[in-house]
Amino acid sequence: AQSVSQHNHHVILSEAASLELGCNYSYGGTVNLFWYVQYPGQHLQLLLKYFSGDPLVKGIKGFEAEFIKSKFSFNLRKPSVQWSDTAEYFCAVKGGSYIPTFGRGTSLIVHP
Amino acid sequence: GAGVSQTPSNKVTEKGKYVELRCDPISGHTALYWYRQSLGQGPEFLIYFQGTGAADDSGLPNDRFFAVRPEGSVSTLKIQRTERGDSAVYLCASSLQGGELFFGEGSRLTVL
Repeated sequence: AQSVSQHNHHVILSEAASLELGCNYSYGGTVNLFWYVQYPGQHLQLLLKYFSGDPLVKGIKGFEAEFIKSKFSFNLRKPSVQWSDTAEYFCAVKGGSYIPTFGRGTSLIVHP
Repeated sequence: GAGVSQTPSNKVTEKGKYVELRCDPISGHTALYWYRQSLGQGPEFLIYFQGTGAADDSGLPNDRFFAVRPEGSVSTLKIQRTERGDSAVYLCASSLQGGELFFGEGSRLTVL
């Protein structure tokens, strides 16, 4: 069975600070990996995804994530956060089935 | 509309009552998923449809929960004899087979 662990449940940053959110998964085979974001009052939407190829994936709004197979990790990064990045961030993994499994989520608050 | 539509957006019911939640996926998306999200948690898988059939219903918590998708488009999640523990946001998502999930706004269910 596949599972996802997000280490940071709550992160508080000031604008312009750098961000890294941890995501580790457990699954022995080929995986697809996702980061979804949920802005206040809005639905979950895709931030970026990894299916194959270059392990460094770039998404919307300056976010990127790096797939490190040996560490079973897919950490999300942004060099300089903005107040508008305040949101919930969810990592998800899809292994042998068509069903993505989501992590618990990280609540990010960015102070202006 | 172009996105996934869920109705009702909010439902308040009494313990023991029957509830139906509806999901209208993106046109042409053959895969449809139901998830449940409790406060402070990530989406928890309930059931996955490929076309009209439930390809995987392993996430349904018990036999009070049932879902249908009779024509391969709109889906209804049905909850019998609701309990207070069923209170959550019920999320619907659709996708092309194997692709990223597109989520609706969710239906917030409150069982008093």
